[in-house]
Amino acid sequence: DAGVTQSPTHLIKTRGQQVTLRCSPKSGHDTVSWYQQALGQGPQFIFQYYEEEERQRGNFPDRFSGHQFPNYSSELNVNALLLGDSALYLCASSLVGTGGEKLFFGSGTQLSVL
Amino acid sequence: GENVEQHPSTLSVQEGDSAVIKCTYSDSASNYFPWYKQELGKGPQLIIDIRSNVGEKKDQRIAVTLNKTAKHFSLHITETQPEDSAVYFCAAEWRGGGSQGNLIFGKGTKLSVKP
Repeated sequence: DAGVTQSPTHLIKTRGQQVTLRCSPKSGHDTVSWYQQALGQGPQFIFQYYEEEERQRGNFPDRFSGHQFPNYSSELNVNALLLGDSALYLCASSLVGTGGEKLFFGSGTQLSVL
Repeated sequence: GENVEQHPSTLSVQEGDSAVIKCTYSDSASNYFPWYKQELGKGPQLIIDIRSNVGEKKDQRIAVTLNKTAKHFSLHITETQPEDSAVYFCAAEWRGGGSQGNLIFGKGTKLSVKP
């Protein structure tokens, strides 16, 4: 049973560029949430996708956008990168309904903005 | 919104000793409290969780307690082993967004277990 997979594992970009990160949820899950984890901090909620729509959003600017595909996989896009966007980006999947708050995380994409 | 405070930020114990990590939360509407373990280079792994209708939950060497009145919950690890060394995060689910899955995390506790 495959867990949550994310790609790429590492990425280096320069300021002003755009980046796309990808996530495949755990088998059987239908909801994908994205989190940003700065060095030495806990993960911070970016947004959540269910039925191909953004269901809720954290306190992040609209430079951060996402998408969910019919097969439940998801992308996170960040435009006009800033140095402060350097972080570990985590994808988590869950199954809506009873126990839907139980999140399973991938290993993340480490983004470095130079 | 929800805010979660976690203490201590670092914890060093001898192998075989117990370790306790404490968290407080601000939103009385929160009703789900998971604990995650994160090893270097990996994503957070769910190790135990508790819902607000339960005061305590155990899973082998790990236990979590919840005091809803005081709005705090704790992780207890007994008979610690070197492989327990990692960063541990507490979290509380914030339902202000109207749906499941929005977890507010503490800043983490780096646990070191010395052989």
